[in-house]
Amino acid sequence: EVQLVESGGGVVQPGGSLRLSCAASGFTFQNYAMHWFRQAPGKGPEWVSFIRYDSRSIYYADSVRGRFTISRDNSKNSLDLQMNSLRAEDTALYYCVKDVEGDLTGGFFDLWGRGTRVTVSS
Amino acid sequence: EIVMTQSPATLSVSPGERATLSCRASHRVSTNLAWYQQKPGQPPRLLIFGASTRATGVPARFSGSGSGTDFTLTISSLQSEDFAVYYCHQYNNWPPGSFGQGTQVEIK
Repeated sequence: EVQLVESGGGVVQPGGSLRLSCAASGFTFQNYAMHWFRQAPGKGPEWVSFIRYDSRSIYYADSVRGRFTISRDNSKNSLDLQMNSLRAEDTALYYCVKDVEGDLTGGFFDLWGRGTRVTVSS
Repeated sequence: EIVMTQSPATLSVSPGERATLSCRASHRVSTNLAWYQQKPGQPPRLLIFGASTRATGVPARFSGSGSGTDFTLTISSLQSEDFAVYYCHQYNNWPPGSFGQGTQVEIK
């Protein structure tokens, strides 16, 4: 089955850290760029980070640059997001998302996981 | 930053009727525009890319049109499973791209 399954979410205090993971299956993971998106309650999706199929190109949203780090392991079909210095405004459902291409030529997304919830609160 | 504005915020439609959703970009995005459907408790689902191309498995009652700054998603005859929130997304200025705020299609 073609799917993405996220894990690692939870409740963390402001300033804390979390590491999200995504397990991919049912498609050739190493051929595609991957993203993390997030969605706060009642809001639209927000792009967080991009990683090229071979990890040679990485981008971040301004709101998370310097605090979040995206990585992937093509041998394990896995995608990670290390989140440090978390803030209340990082509270959201975080989605692992597959691009239609391997690099920046895509930009739209044909497979989304069901998400893992991150709550930043004291 | 390209701002995407969707209208209306909420659209009340009876089953079997046509629904027309609009999306306007603050700057031209060519046809680099996608539409997503999101139902409660589910992730977004790709419906349309390239402004008018249906994604795999999307029923023919969904159609997209437009280019530049003005785009439309039309659902020709609403089915019960179509009641959801619809988002437009521009990927001309990518990354980061930008989503609209969504249109809620509800049962009239």
